[in-house]
Amino acid sequence: ELKVEQNPLFLSMQEGKNYTIYCNYSTTSDRLYWYRQDPGKSLESLFVLLSNGAVKQEGRLMASLDTKARLSTLHITAAVHDLSATYFCAVDSWENNDMRFGAGTRLTVKP
Amino acid sequence: DTEVTQTPKHLVMGMTNKKSLKCEQHMGHRAMYWYKQKAKKPPELMFVYSYEKLSINESVPSRFSPECPNSSLLNLHLHALQPEDSALYLCASSQDRARPVSGNTIYFGEGSWLTVV
Repeated sequence: ELKVEQNPLFLSMQEGKNYTIYCNYSTTSDRLYWYRQDPGKSLESLFVLLSNGAVKQEGRLMASLDTKARLSTLHITAAVHDLSATYFCAVDSWENNDMRFGAGTRLTVKP
Repeated sequence: DTEVTQTPKHLVMGMTNKKSLKCEQHMGHRAMYWYKQKAKKPPELMFVYSYEKLSINESVPSRFSPECPNSSLLNLHLHALQPEDSALYLCASSQDRARPVSGNTIYFGEGSWLTVV
């Protein structure tokens, strides 16, 4: 069974600081997604990662994938208040015909 | 156009009612998904249609009945729901579910907020 573990679940950080969110998964994956969700809103796609060593960056966010370690990270650089939201990773496993989300990380960036 | 359109945005229904949630995309995507999301929880996969055929059914109760009339439309028929079924129902679509050569983003609609009374 595909399991996805995300940590931390809650993250409070100050503006200007850096931090990393971790996403571990239990089986082989074909795609690893990162999404952002604002309160009362739907999911906004941030990144899709496919292959080992993949790295993608958009603004202050950078995502990476290590398929051997079954680990993806979302790194936040010089956080700003606008990044406050819940961030989810999701793993799509073709082999398991399954797709599951991590529990989410609720990020709060304080001035 | 990367839009997935869901209707209605809000639905209140009684436990004996029959209603439907609708989802539409015009991106030529051949995979469509229904997710359920409770407050402060991650989305839970309910159903996946691939090329208009049901490919994943995550042991969802029969009071939820999906339908994919064509490649652009996805419905979720609701009957005899329970108050605990109240949640945000998200529809999503992607190019397909084949092994990727390139990225295959899953696009989500705005969701339908369902309240069962």
